[in-house]
Amino acid sequence: KAGVTQTPRYLIKTRGQQVTLSCSPISGHRSVSWYQQTPGQGLQFLFEYFSETQRNKGNFPGRFSGRQFSNSRSEMNVSTLELGDSALYLCASSPGLVDTGELFFGEGSRLTVL
Amino acid sequence: AQSVAQPEDQVNVAEGNPLTVKCTYSVSGNPYLFWYVQYPNRGLQFLLKYITGDNLVKGSYGFEAEFNKSQTSFHLKKPSALVSDSALYFCAVRDRGSTLGRLYFGRGTQLTVWP
Repeated sequence: KAGVTQTPRYLIKTRGQQVTLSCSPISGHRSVSWYQQTPGQGLQFLFEYFSETQRNKGNFPGRFSGRQFSNSRSEMNVSTLELGDSALYLCASSPGLVDTGELFFGEGSRLTVL
Repeated sequence: AQSVAQPEDQVNVAEGNPLTVKCTYSVSGNPYLFWYVQYPNRGLQFLLKYITGDNLVKGSYGFEAEFNKSQTSFHLKKPSALVSDSALYFCAVRDRGSTLGRLYFGRGTQLTVWP
């Protein structure tokens, strides 16, 4: 069974631009979560989607948004990029929304903002 | 508020020696506890979890963790370290009342195992 797939793996943007990152969960998984990883702040939760609805949200500004499609694939968008948005963005999937299971992470999309 | 502390940024150990990576948490109620490992330029890989029951849980690659409720700790251990265990280790907690994807992570501990 294929794992969580994130695209693109690497990208470079300039301040003020916007970016869209994509995540395809493990087949059969319906929940997708997004995390930002930076050396300074560590791993921070962005948001979680299940059945195309945002179910949980972290403490990030409105420039960070996401969505989930009917096939459970998810995208996140960051608008008006700032230097501080440079990070590894990790997507994770799970079969359901509330159980005792663990998350399955993709390899991440590394965003560099110049 | 939920918080996870990994008091050591780095742990160095010789191959063949036992290793311990420490984790303490501050969470209301009885949380679920997890350990993940990250290799360079890779995502996180699940190692083990504590849900309920026996305080000693066993996971992947020979790792185990001991849950101590009174000390609110969940230390990761391995009896005999391998060079290939060198990686970044994260402790995480989830509130039992929260959705599955909402984890609180520690800052990570860089484990280096030298030959």
